Amino acid sequence: ELKVEQNPLFLSMQEGKNYTIYCNYSTTSDRLYWYRQDPGKSLESLFVLLSNGAVKQEGRLMASLDTKARLSTLHITAAVHDLSATYFCAVDSGGATNKLIFGTGTLLAVQP
Amino acid sequence: DSGVTQTPKHLITATGQRVTLRCSPRSGDLSVYWYQQSLDQGLQFLIQYYNGEERAKGNILERFSAQQFPDLHSELNLSSLELGDSALYFCASSPGSQFSYEQYFGPGTRLTVT
Repeated sequence: ELKVEQNPLFLSMQEGKNYTIYCNYSTTSDRLYWYRQDPGKSLESLFVLLSNGAVKQEGRLMASLDTKARLSTLHITAAVHDLSATYFCAVDSGGATNKLIFGTGTLLAVQP
Repeated sequence: DSGVTQTPKHLITATGQRVTLRCSPRSGDLSVYWYQQSLDQGLQFLIQYYNGEERAKGNILERFSAQQFPDLHSELNLSSLELGDSALYFCASSPGSQFSYEQYFGPGTRLTVT
């Protein structure tokens, strides 16, 4: 059974600092997603990572995927308050269904 | 705006009652997924339909059922509601093909059981 672990659960950062969120998963998968969720809102797709070594960047966020280690990272560079949200990784279970298995989420609070 | 719509946005009901949540997928998407987000269980997959047929089941209680209609909209029925069913319920849709699989999430329905 596919399991997804995400850490840390909570991250308090100062503006301008860098940090990384980690996402480990237990079985092989072809696709990994990162989502952002603001309180009470829906999931906003940030990145789709499809292959080993994939790296994608958007603004201050950069995501990477190592399929051999079954590890994805979401790196935050020079955090700003607007990045405060909960971030989820999700792994595609594959096969005929493509259902997503989500990590626990990381609540990011960027302090001025 | 993902193009996926869900109604209602909020629902408050009492224990023991039954409710129906509705989802309209993006135009052309054949696959609909239902997810539940709660404080204790996190985000978990409930059920998937593809072109009217059930394709996969996750951690869905027997009190819950779903269906997808010929116009591709889907409904999630929750019955004999308990306090623990209070959660945010998301619907997502995707084209459902091998090469077009990304899921787009609706705004969610917040269910409060009192």
